[in-house]
Amino acid sequence: EVQLVESGGGLVQPGGSLRLSCAASGFTFSDHYMDWVRQAPGKGLEWVGRTRNKANGYTTEYAPSVKDRFTISRDDSKDSLYLQMNSLKTEDTAVYYCARGQQSHSWYFDLWGRGTLVTVSS
Amino acid sequence: DVQMTQSPPSLSASIGDRVTITCRASQSISTHLHWYQHKPGKAPKLLIYAASSLQSGVPSRFSGSGSGTDFTLTISSLQPEDFATYYCQHSYNTPRTFGQGTKVEIK
Repeated sequence: EVQLVESGGGLVQPGGSLRLSCAASGFTFSDHYMDWVRQAPGKGLEWVGRTRNKANGYTTEYAPSVKDRFTISRDDSKDSLYLQMNSLKTEDTAVYYCARGQQSHSWYFDLWGRGTLVTVSS
Repeated sequence: DVQMTQSPPSLSASIGDRVTITCRASQSISTHLHWYQHKPGKAPKLLIYAASSLQSGVPSRFSGSGSGTDFTLTISSLQPEDFATYYCQHSYNTPRTFGQGTKVEIK
C-alpha cells in the first residue's frame, strides 16, 4: 500500500527538542522531494519545509518561522524522512504532516500522512 | 512571499448544490495553484493540481479554473462525503503558502 506514516510526536517543554519521523511505503521514496506541513489547533495548513532528492543534492528549504530551528533530513535506505525540531516554542504546537512532492506542470503534494501531534507546553 | 486569500471562510450548502470557492494570489503565479480537501483526523487529499488538472481517482464533480492571480474550485453537485475544509496552495516559489481554508458545512 502506498502510504506515509508519521511518528514521534508528543509533549515537550518550551526550548526543548523533538525528532519526528515519516515512514514511506509502496513507492520509490528516493525519487521524490519530501515536505513537512503543519496545522496548529484551529488554524489552517502551514508549509514547514522540504528536502529534494539525491539527484538534486538533498538540498533543503524552510519557512521563515522555523528556519535555523528545524532541520529536515532523509534516509533513503530506510525510506524515511525526519524533522529535527530544536528551540521549540508554544506556537510550534501543531499536527505535523509529511507529504510527497510530485511534478506535472507544477509541484504539488500528491500523498500525505495522517499526521503526528506535537504539543509545546510547560 | 506570495499570500493566498480564500473566500468564503465557510459556507453552508445542501446536497446537490453547486459550490464555488475562490482563491486569490497576491501576485501572478501562472497556474502553480493546487486544491486539497481535509477532513478532521485524516490525511489531506489532493483534488486539483496546476489549477485545472483533476487528480487521478477524484470524482469529476470537482473542477478547477483560473490563472495568474484568480482561481476557482467548483463542486458541481455537493455530495455527503464532500463536507470538509478545502485549501488552495501555490507552488510558484518558496515559501509555499496555503489559503486560510474554506469549511463546507451541511445546511
